[in-house]
Amino acid sequence: EAGVAQSPRYKIIEKRQSVAFWCNPISGHATLYWYQQILGQGPKLLIQFQNNGVVDDSQLPKDRFSAERLKGVDSTLKIQPAKLEDSAVYLCASSLGGPDTQYFGPGTRLTVL
Amino acid sequence: RKEVEQDPGPFNVPEGATVAFNCTYSNSASQSFFWYRQDCRKEPKLLMSVYSSGNEDGRFTAQLNRASQYISLLIRDSKLSDSATYLCVVRPSRYSGYALNFGKGTSLLVTP
Repeated sequence: EAGVAQSPRYKIIEKRQSVAFWCNPISGHATLYWYQQILGQGPKLLIQFQNNGVVDDSQLPKDRFSAERLKGVDSTLKIQPAKLEDSAVYLCASSLGGPDTQYFGPGTRLTVL
Repeated sequence: RKEVEQDPGPFNVPEGATVAFNCTYSNSASQSFFWYRQDCRKEPKLLMSVYSSGNEDGRFTAQLNRASQYISLLIRDSKLSDSATYLCVVRPSRYSGYALNFGKGTSLLVTP
């Protein structure tokens, strides 16, 4: 079974530029999560989708971050404009739903210069 | 106060040693508890769930004390391949959308 796919795997941008990350969850998984992992920290939830609806975006910096999951499958996370402190690994995870096990993708490593 | 706090690392142990990691959580309404393993530059992967009755999976034993809001992971007979960061993870409640709260992680290095 294919796992969670993410692209790109690495991205280097300058501050104030824009960037977008893409996630394709495991087939059939209704719930999709985006986490941010800063070096030396554990992952922190940014946003959770149930199908194409947002369940929790309380920790998403909405002045610069946005995310969508229009058809309830793939998702895109965007940062505009990027700041130095956005340098992190952005992890996408998916689960069948509810309390089921979350499976993580390989992440996108973002460096903001 | 952080929601999930773990022992500061790193832990450097010789092969064959027994090592224990501890973790505390602040939300008494938390519903589910896990240990995840994260290898260098890789994604977190579920190692095991943690139950009040305690559970064992081979060389790994996890314990939960709800009264003390304390979680532990014991690794017996450490192998070189156990070297990784171990993340203590708490799911606050069903009303929080099932997202996971991660500790900072504890780094383990098993040496020959």
